[in-house]
Parts: sequence; structure tokens; C-alpha cells
Amino acid sequence: GAGVSQSPSNKVTEKGKDVELRCDPISGHTALYWYRQSLGQGLEFLIYFQGNSAPDKSGLPSDRFSAERTGGSVSTLTIQRTQQEDSAVYLCASSFKRQGETQYFGPGTRLLVL
Amino acid sequence: GENVEQHPSTLSVQEGDSAVIKCTYSDSASNYFPWYKQELGKGPQLIIDIRSNVGEKKDQRIAVTLNKTAKHFSLHITETQPEDSAVYFCAASGYTGNQFYFGTGTSLTVIP
Repeated sequence: GAGVSQSPSNKVTEKGKDVELRCDPISGHTALYWYRQSLGQGLEFLIYFQGNSAPDKSGLPSDRFSAERTGGSVSTLTIQRTQQEDSAVYLCASSFKRQGETQYFGPGTRLLVL
Repeated sequence: GENVEQHPSTLSVQEGDSAVIKCTYSDSASNYFPWYKQELGKGPQLIIDIRSNVGEKKDQRIAVTLNKTAKHFSLHITETQPEDSAVYFCAASGYTGNQFYFGTGTSLTVIP
């Protein structure tokens, strides 16, 4: 079946603009994660959604970052007033359920803030 | 919270040799340990995982070992091939909390 998809694959924006990144998880997966990966670095946890529960936002670096998950499926990560340090690859992953289940990653969105 | 450390950060091996990457974790409640391979320009892909009720798991040329007492786990790749060249990440997760904690990655280069 289809894997996790993300769009756009690449995004170039100017400092101060808002961007929206989209993630389509694997059908039937109830858990969805967003991560940020800076050049040559590991994965930084941003936010986690599980079913209809309140999301775990503990990894969001500032109030310029927010995310939604509509209907328990598609998720959008929004970055307002982008800064150059926001340049990174934003990865989305989904899993069947939380607590030790395998995560499947999308290809990522490469964001460049000029 | 959990802290996962991964070594080495870079590793070069000759084709056909073995490669070993090691990770340590701090939270004894962690019980699931996946390994991911990330090729240039792609998202991480799961290559093997292990749960705390077993000490070793093998899948063809790839194996993972887990020592719960010492809180470390390792990835072993035998008979390495150039296509094994990639960045490898370990991770730990448990019954508490929502997060997967990732190591900082190992860049493996297999020299033909």
C-alpha cells in the first residue's frame, strides 16, 4: 500500500513569510509524528498526534510553530514568520498506534528560508 | 527523559568487512529499539528492530543485539556492500511517554 507522503518536497521562502507543510499518513495509522532534521543532525521531535487525544506539543521550538490533524488523518505543520534557522528537513512519520510501534517515515519537506 | 547516545558518528569500512554501530540509552523503561537507514535526500527507513524480551534478532546480513542490563544495543552489518552506505539512526521508545528518542546518527561509507 501507499506509504507516508509529504508535500511539498521542497520549499523556498523568504524570511518572515508563513509556510504550511502537509503530511498524509498511512491509512489506518492513528499516531502521527513531526520531526525536524537540520543538516547533518539527528531527528528533533516536534509534535505527536494520537487519535482524538490532545497532541503532545512539547517539542515545538517556539510559538511560531503549530500543527493540526484533521479528521485523524492528514496533518499540517505551519511555521509563521519564518526565520533562517528554520531551514531544515521536516519529516513526518506515522504508526499504527503509540507505545513501541514501528514508525514509518515520509520523504520529508526540505525547507530553505532565505 | 530518555537519552540515546550513538557511536561512532562516522564509519568507513572496506567492502565485505563488517560494520558495528553502538547505542546506549538511559531509561530502563524503554522496551522497543528500532534502527533506521537514511539515504541521501530520503526519509529514514526501518531496517530492523528489537524488543526488550529478546537479546538478538537477525535478518540476512543485518543483526541487532540488546543488553538490557547494560542498557545498550548494537547494529551489526556483515559482508558490507557499497549500497549499505548511508546514515544509520538508532532509537528507543517505551510504555511511558509518546516520543521516540533518536541517536545522532552514524554516517557509514563502504569503500569498494
